[in-house]
Amino acid sequence: QQQVKQSPQSLIVQKGGISIINCAYENTAFDYFPWYQQFPGKGPALLIAIRPDVSEKKEGRFTISFNKSAKQFSLHIMDSQPGDSATYFCAASSMSSGSARQLTFGSGTQLTVLP
Amino acid sequence: KAGVTQTPRYLIKTRGQQVTLSCSPISGHRSVSWYQQTPGQGLQFLFEYFSETQRNKGNFPGRFSGRQFSNSRSEMNVSTLELGDSALYLCASSLSTRTAAFFGQGTRLTVV
Repeated sequence: QQQVKQSPQSLIVQKGGISIINCAYENTAFDYFPWYQQFPGKGPALLIAIRPDVSEKKEGRFTISFNKSAKQFSLHIMDSQPGDSATYFCAASSMSSGSARQLTFGSGTQLTVLP
Repeated sequence: KAGVTQTPRYLIKTRGQQVTLSCSPISGHRSVSWYQQTPGQGLQFLFEYFSETQRNKGNFPGRFSGRQFSNSRSEMNVSTLELGDSALYLCASSLSTRTAAFFGQGTRLTVV
């Protein structure tokens, strides 16, 4: 019940295209959903996060869409650039139960943006 | 503002030895959590500390332990190292237990 399922495992898009990564969760206690970007040799960097009281959050070219009833959330990267090529992780945790920092991560998506 | 600093960046240890990894959180951050990242298991939560107290612990054996000091710096220790402990160990700091977590670059541990 703690699992977060992420798809696809890898994604190749052309420069300027839209990259879409999907995640699904089972634990209804989860109430905080961040996305992280990781480059080789670096730690994960927080991209954007959402709470379940909103259905969408946008920051620059990055948008999170959240569907509470389906227990799914997704990351959209608009106008994808070669510099966006990295591994993306979705995550979830429960702030309300005092486990905010106990992030459960998806398995990651390796994004490649072709020039 | 300086980010999360983890030392050392790389470590090679022999099976059976023990190791201590260090994490200095972002100035003012009081919550520190630790994660293990491996190709097979992905990112897995080890434990979280806030105000020198362990708040949560992941599903890892007792060989994995940690502590937090009064200045919020944290250390994690792995005793009796096994080959399977080879991983990138990541530390994340947060202002509180209810705010975003920011990760350091990690310590790459190789057990031979």
